[in-house]
Parts: sequence; structure tokens; C-alpha cells
Amino acid sequence: EDKVVQSPLSLVVHEGDTVTLNCSYEVTNFRSLLWYKQEKKAPTFLFMLTSSGIEKKSGRLSSILDKKELFSILNITATQTGDSAIYLCAVSKETSGSRLTFGEGTQLTVNP
Amino acid sequence: DSGVTQTPKHLITATGQRVTLRCSPRSGDLSVYWYQQSLDQGLQFLIQYYNGEERAKGNILERFSAQQFPDLHSELNLSSLELGDSALYFCASSVGGENSPLHFGNGTRLTVT
Repeated sequence: EDKVVQSPLSLVVHEGDTVTLNCSYEVTNFRSLLWYKQEKKAPTFLFMLTSSGIEKKSGRLSSILDKKELFSILNITATQTGDSAIYLCAVSKETSGSRLTFGEGTQLTVNP
Repeated sequence: DSGVTQTPKHLITATGQRVTLRCSPRSGDLSVYWYQQSLDQGLQFLIQYYNGEERAKGNILERFSAQQFPDLHSELNLSSLELGDSALYFCASSVGGENSPLHFGNGTRLTVT
């Protein structure tokens, strides 16, 4: 059975801190790993990673994939209160189109 | 705004009833996916349609059904509702290409009393 495990499940930090969120996976026919941010409503797409070792970056957020060790990390530097959200990791498979299997998410709270 | 529209935003109904949730995908997207998000289970894949045809089924109960219409909008029908069906139901769409990310609507919050 496919598995996506995120850690920690919740995290509380102060504004300005740097955080690292983890995602490990066990899936057959892996194709890509995606990160989403979910505030009160729809999960919004952050990154899609398909190749090992290539960092994707968007502002203060960055992510990297290790296909040998089967994990990914999402880094957020200089956190702001607006970064408070649930961060979801998901994987897609070669045989499943764009269908995603999600982890439980990491609830990040950034306090002022 | 993802461009995926879901209605209604909230739905409160009684056990045993039937409801229909509606989704309009982003313009140009051919694939529609339905997910259920409950407190204790995260986002669970229910069913996928591509250009009007069912493409994949996940953990969808027999009491639930869906369809995608020629204009590409989709409906998720939930019948004989139980308390445990209370959840957020998300629709997502994608272009349909092999590696395109999903874009989610704002969801329908269903409360069964």
C-alpha cells in the first residue's frame, strides 16, 4: 500500500525562525512529489519535484527531493504569521495520471 | 483563486438524506478529481473523471456516485448519509497531462446531523 508520512505533525515557531518540514514516501512507480499549502480553504500548489537533488525555490520557500532515500523537505526561511497553514505533501505515480496520495500534513503556526 | 468552482460552500442535512455537490473545473482542464477531507483521515481520493469518462476509483463508498457532463462540470452524489460522512469535499482539476499538478476548489463542507 502506498504511504506518505509527514513530520512533524505540528510545529509552533516565532516570526523570523526557519523551519524544515519532512515528507517520506513509499510508493510503487513513483513519478513526482508535490507540496501544497492549505490555509482555511483550498490546498494551493507550491512545488512539484521529479528529479533528485534539484532545489525548487519560490521566495522564502524551497524544497528538494531525494529519490534514493525516498524523502523530501520543505524549508521556509524568515517565517511570517502568514505562513501559518497546513503543509501537505503528496505523491503521484507513473500509472495514475495526476492522481495524488496525500500525507496527513504538518500544521505550522507562526507566532508574532 | 484556483479557477475551480464548487457549490454549495456549506451543506447541513440529516442522516438518510441525499445531496449533490457540484464542481466546475478550470477552463481547459479535462480531468476532475474528488477528494474527501475529514479530521482524522486527511485528504482521501474518491474518484477521477477525464473528459466525461470515469478514469479511476479510490476509497469511494457504494452510496456515493459521480459523473462528469459534456460541459466538463462534475457532480458528486452522496446518498443514505451517515454522521461519518461529515467532511470537507474537494474537487480538483488538471489539464489531464501526465504530470500536471492538481488545482483545488474551496470545497463543500458537509455536516450530517
